[in-house]
Amino acid sequence: GNSVTQMEGPVTLSEEAFLTINCTYTATGYPSLFWYVQYPGEGLQLLLKATKADDKGSNKGFEATYRKETTSFHLEKGSVQVSDSAVYFCALSTDTGNQFYFGTGTSLTVIP
Amino acid sequence: DARVTQTPRHKVTEMGQEVTMRCQPILGHNTVFWYRQTMMQGLELLAYFRNRAPLDDSGMPKDRFSAEMPDATLATLKIQPSEPRDSAVYFCASGLRASGRFYNEQFFGPGTRLTVL
Repeated sequence: GNSVTQMEGPVTLSEEAFLTINCTYTATGYPSLFWYVQYPGEGLQLLLKATKADDKGSNKGFEATYRKETTSFHLEKGSVQVSDSAVYFCALSTDTGNQFYFGTGTSLTVIP
Repeated sequence: DARVTQTPRHKVTEMGQEVTMRCQPILGHNTVFWYRQTMMQGLELLAYFRNRAPLDDSGMPKDRFSAEMPDATLATLKIQPSEPRDSAVYFCASGLRASGRFYNEQFFGPGTRLTVL
């Protein structure tokens, strides 16, 4: 079946630290992969996406590379800011587009 | 600036009352999702529609929940009767599934925070 597994939180980092949030997936076919971010009191927003193997999605200094060989889509940022404090969700969409799966979310807190 | 809108943003009700939540998807989107988010369960998919037809409502408790799309600009989620365990944030999301495209990006509304006393 299809599923997304992401690292447990919460994660606490100091400002300017390097961030990695791990995400691995199980899927048949060729899914598309996404990272969504949820700020306190808001809905989820798309952060970045990748639709095929070796694609790199990037936005606001965040990056993730679609690795088919390791079935991973890890989120990285070189220097986090306090404003990056949020919950991050990894997600996949099946290649038929008819199924969408979210991970459990990873809470990130960045302290000054 | 196209957005998904949801009403009401907050709802407090008593157990046994009917609750109706509304969602206006982004104009032109043909897929609408309903999610429920709680601390314990995280984000759960309740139901989704494509071109106003229900495609999957397996995540929804059928005895008390119902979801409909009376027209392309309105989706509703009803709970009758409501129970304290229904307290959660309910999100609507919309997206566009076009022929030949293999991914669905979802746009989320701000959510309805429901408290059932």
